[in-house]
Amino acid sequence: AQKITQTQPGMFVQEKEAVTLDCTYDTSDPSYGLFWYKQPSSGEMIFLIYQGSYDQQNATEGRYSLNFQKARKSANLVISASQLGDSAMYFCAMRGRSYNKLIFGAGTRLAVHP
Amino acid sequence: GAGVSQTPSNKVTEKGKYVELRCDPISGHTALYWYRQSLGQGPEFLIYFQGTGAADDSGLPNDRFFAVRPEGSVSTLKIQRTERGDSAVYLCASSLGGDGNYGYTFGSGTRLTVV
Repeated sequence: AQKITQTQPGMFVQEKEAVTLDCTYDTSDPSYGLFWYKQPSSGEMIFLIYQGSYDQQNATEGRYSLNFQKARKSANLVISASQLGDSAMYFCAMRGRSYNKLIFGAGTRLAVHP
Repeated sequence: GAGVSQTPSNKVTEKGKYVELRCDPISGHTALYWYRQSLGQGPEFLIYFQGTGAADDSGLPNDRFFAVRPEGSVSTLKIQRTERGDSAVYLCASSLGGDGNYGYTFGSGTRLTVV
């Protein structure tokens, strides 16, 4: 079965510091993709970063990077230089080759303090 | 349009009533997905359309839920005999291709409240 686990219901970080949001996954598909989305209080799901299972390099997008450890089945999101606007819910999600849909974790609420 | 549009943004209905939720995907996106997000949880998959046909409806919770996409663009999620447990945010997403390699764009959702 495919499953995403986010073990941190809430995280706090000081502005300008880095923070890591944890994500572990389980899948039997040899090929899969991992996504991170941000959901502010307004409700829209904003795509942040994508990592393919066969990608050799860890994905990076501006202040976001994905620490992909395939053997450990983890895909942690690292946000560098946190900003107040980063306060939101963050969801890790997975898509496998055998299924055309995203499986989401329960999310982590990040609060950035000034 | 520029993004995925969902209407209405909010819907309050009485228990037992019928509701329709609409999703207008990005023009040219052949794949369309419906998700349900209950309070404090991640989105849960409901149904996936590739073109006009439902390619995967394994997430629909029961036969009160039904969705259509007759012309391969706009989709309507229909809920019959609504129950209080149906209260949630219903999210729609679209993708250029059905394999998800092009990424998914989400709408802002419809918040359904059943009283």
